[in-house]
Amino acid sequence: ELKVEQNPLFLSMQEGKNYTIYCNYSTTSDRLYWYRQDPGKSLESLFVLLSNGAVKQEGRLMASLDTKARLSTLHITAAVHDLSATYFCAVDTNRDDKIIFGKGTRLHILP
Amino acid sequence: NAGVMQNPRHLVRRRGQEARLRCSPMKGHSHVYWYRQLPEEGLKFMVYLQKENIIDESGMPKERFSAEFPKEGPSILRIQQVVRGDSAAYFCASSDRGKAFFGQGTRLTVV
Repeated sequence: ELKVEQNPLFLSMQEGKNYTIYCNYSTTSDRLYWYRQDPGKSLESLFVLLSNGAVKQEGRLMASLDTKARLSTLHITAAVHDLSATYFCAVDTNRDDKIIFGKGTRLHILP
Repeated sequence: NAGVMQNPRHLVRRRGQEARLRCSPMKGHSHVYWYRQLPEEGLKFMVYLQKENIIDESGMPKERFSAEFPKEGPSILRIQQVVRGDSAAYFCASSDRGKAFFGQGTRLTVV
C-alpha cells in the first residue's frame, strides 16, 4: 500500500529564512504533486513533478524529485508571511492513478 | 473553462438524515476523486471513479457511504444516516490523468 510521509508536520519560522519540507513515499509512482491549502479553503496546485531529477520553481518555492530515493523536497527561500499555509505532497500510483496525500506541513511564518 | 464545481458549499444535516454531495468535474475530465478532510488533518482518499465505473473505493467506509459518477451529470457522494463523526470537509478532484484540480469542497456539519 502506498504511504506518503511528510516532515516536519509543523513549522514556525522567521521571515527571511530558508527551509525545506520533505516528502517520502513508499512505492514507485508516476507523478508527485505539491499543493497549498489556506485555512478553510481548497487546495491550490503548486507543482507536478514527473521524472527523476525534476526541479520546478515558482517565486520563493522550489520543488525537486528524486525517484530513486522516493523523496521530494519543497524548498522555501527567504520566507515571507504570505507563504503561511499548509503544504501537502501527494503521489499517484503507477497501478491505478489513485492519489494519496501526506498529512501536510503547517507552515507559520512570523513577521 | 469552469473549474471543479462542488455543491453545496455548506451542508447541515441532523443525525440520521442523508447527505448528498455533488461534484461536476472540469470539462474534458473523466476521472473524479473524493477525499475527506477532518479539521486540522490531511486529506484521506475515499473513492476514485471514472464515468459509470468505480475504480477504487478502498477508502470508503463499508456502510452508509456510496458514490457514483453517471454517464450524464455530476458525481454524487451519498452519506446515509449521518452521524456526528461524518462532519468534515469533503473535497472532489478531477483529472485527465495529468494534474488533478480540486473543487472548493463541501463542509458537512452534522448536528
